[in-house]
Amino acid sequence: NAGVTQTPKFQVLKTGQSMTLQCAQDMNHEYMSWYRQDPGMGLRLIHYSVGAGITDQGEVPNGYNVSRSTTEDFPLRLLSAAPSQTSVYFCASREQGLANTEAFFGQGTRLTVV
Amino acid sequence: SQELEQSPQSLIVQEGKNLTINCTSSKTLYGLYWYKQKYGEGLIFLMMLQKGGEEKSHEKITAKLDEKKQQSSLHITASQPSHAGIYLCGAFSGNQFYFGTGTSLTVIP
Repeated sequence: NAGVTQTPKFQVLKTGQSMTLQCAQDMNHEYMSWYRQDPGMGLRLIHYSVGAGITDQGEVPNGYNVSRSTTEDFPLRLLSAAPSQTSVYFCASREQGLANTEAFFGQGTRLTVV
Repeated sequence: SQELEQSPQSLIVQEGKNLTINCTSSKTLYGLYWYKQKYGEGLIFLMMLQKGGEEKSHEKITAKLDEKKQQSSLHITASQPSHAGIYLCGAFSGNQFYFGTGTSLTVIP
């Protein structure tokens, strides 16, 4: 099992550019989510999905779009990158519907917007 | 939204010393997760506590859940340099999973 795979690991963007951070899991998990991690702010939830075709906003959704066309993939799109989106992004997945199951995390994507 | 406050924010200990990290929730806890993150890397699952009074151990790390106090503690016995990193507690509130503010641990050899 590969677990949760994030690509790319590193990315530099210019202000105004768009890009998609990829996240894929092979555990057939229904629940997937995206977080950003910033110094002094901890990890904050951007968007999450409880199954294919269902997405919802987390704490800090502005500037990001998500879609969930398959169970395996949950891409995060930055429509027009801003320096404030410089951060480390983590994708996670877990089984939905079971109380208190472990969440598995990807290795992170370090994004710099200049 | 759920708020998880961790204390201390950072900790520097001598190798071999014991230490405790606390995680306090603004809402009733129905389960509490502990993760460790090595600097610049992803999150490693340590353990999950589901019931009040539950205590779990993994190697030299022990965690307890006090539902009445809406609090969990993580205790490391005889710390080693390999324990260094950021420790994060986390909990679900509905479908949203929230992380604590994090505790940065440095272990001096």
